[in-house]
Amino acid sequence: KQEVTQIPAALSVPEGENLVLNCSFTDSAIYNLQWFRQDPGKGLTSLLLIQSSQREQTSGRLNASLDKSSGRSTLYIAASQPGDSATYLCAVRPGSQGNLIFGKGTKLSVKP
Amino acid sequence: ETGVTQSPTHLIKTRGQQVTLRCSSQSGHNTVSWYQQALGQGPQFIFQYYREEENGRGNFPPRFSGLQFPNYSSELNVNALELDDSALYLCASSLPAREAFFGQGTRLTVV
Repeated sequence: KQEVTQIPAALSVPEGENLVLNCSFTDSAIYNLQWFRQDPGKGLTSLLLIQSSQREQTSGRLNASLDKSSGRSTLYIAASQPGDSATYLCAVRPGSQGNLIFGKGTKLSVKP
Repeated sequence: ETGVTQSPTHLIKTRGQQVTLRCSSQSGHNTVSWYQQALGQGPQFIFQYYREEENGRGNFPPRFSGLQFPNYSSELNVNALELDDSALYLCASSLPAREAFFGQGTRLTVV
């Protein structure tokens, strides 16, 4: 059974820092992996999608990497801003017909 | 191009009642998935519809049911509401196995 873990559960950093959020999954046979952002009480905003054949994807200040063999993905946020404060969720899709399996998220707080 | 929209945004129901939540998928997307998110947890998969057929279901009882319409919009129905059904219900639309886009969610409170 696929399980997704995100560590740490919460993270507080000063504005301007570069930071890394971690995601691990127990079964390396995934189709793709997606990172989301969630503001309190709101829906999920898609940040990056990485296909199983890819090693990384970049969008602006965000860079996501994928190491399928070790069951790990990281989300790198450069030059963090207070507006980046949110919960970041990682989700894997086990197969081409499958649903997303989520971690519990990392709650990020960026202090001015 | 419109995004995924859900209605209503908030809802309060009494235990034992029935509820219907609605989702309009993003233009061109034929796959809709529903998730339940309890406070402090990641979303849990309820079921998925592809071209009006259910093609995947998570570990939820039969009182959770759904529909997908020819325009790919969808409904989630929950019968015999229980207090534990209180959660944020999220709808996602996509093309099969492609990037999923979520709506803003429906906050359901069962009292």
